[in-house]
Amino acid sequence: ETGVTQTPRHLVMGMTNKKSLKCEQHLGHNAMYWYKQSAKKPLELMFVYNFKEQTENNSVPSRFSPECPNSSHLFLHLHTLQPEDSALYLCASSQDLAGGATPYNEQFFGPGTRLTVL
Amino acid sequence: AQKVTQAQTEISVVEKEDVTLDCVYETRDTTYYLFWYKQPPSGELVFLIRRNSFDEQNEISGRYSWNFQKSTSSFNFTITASQVVDSAVYFCALQTGANNLFFGTGTRLTVIP
Repeated sequence: ETGVTQTPRHLVMGMTNKKSLKCEQHLGHNAMYWYKQSAKKPLELMFVYNFKEQTENNSVPSRFSPECPNSSHLFLHLHTLQPEDSALYLCASSQDLAGGATPYNEQFFGPGTRLTVL
Repeated sequence: AQKVTQAQTEISVVEKEDVTLDCVYETRDTTYYLFWYKQPPSGELVFLIRRNSFDEQNEISGRYSWNFQKSTSSFNFTITASQVVDSAVYFCALQTGANNLFFGTGTRLTVIP
């Protein structure tokens, strides 16, 4: 596999379910990201991890719980979601975070997980 | 504050027509980077181009060209002789300093055969 992969591609869950989204990058990158893409809204950055450590939580509700066991894998654990959480969840990775020796932040994206909360 | 505006929500063109996607950005930083990404129906965002704020030279890559105008804070994207495979949602994004990417709301392009 190459690039950034995400599983599952589609997920339907009830509000009381617990599920997890998985992201894996095969690019040797150090930073990984979760985004939420809702219709007619800009991509919303949710979480940022750098070398497995969370560096940013963009005021995301606690019903979304990220986990980054290593630089290649990123999970998003879902619990008691609401219908308005239905969206496309995109994972991305970049070589490093922007700043210092890496002035720009070119991110590579996975295909996303289309989540529907009933 | 950083902001990216893509005023065109949806555009439809007939195959072989040229089309320009507009992007206007706001930032007080003097150093920044601008990006365009393509999101085909498969979902993933595909990187198309990166420009830094000090390089206003326009760029052409095949049928794609980009017009960066600092005076109007615009970074427009033109597809020449459009093809059905160009149908996708296109996102403009801005990055300043050590911040992350700020995306516009995207423009859905439909190329009609």
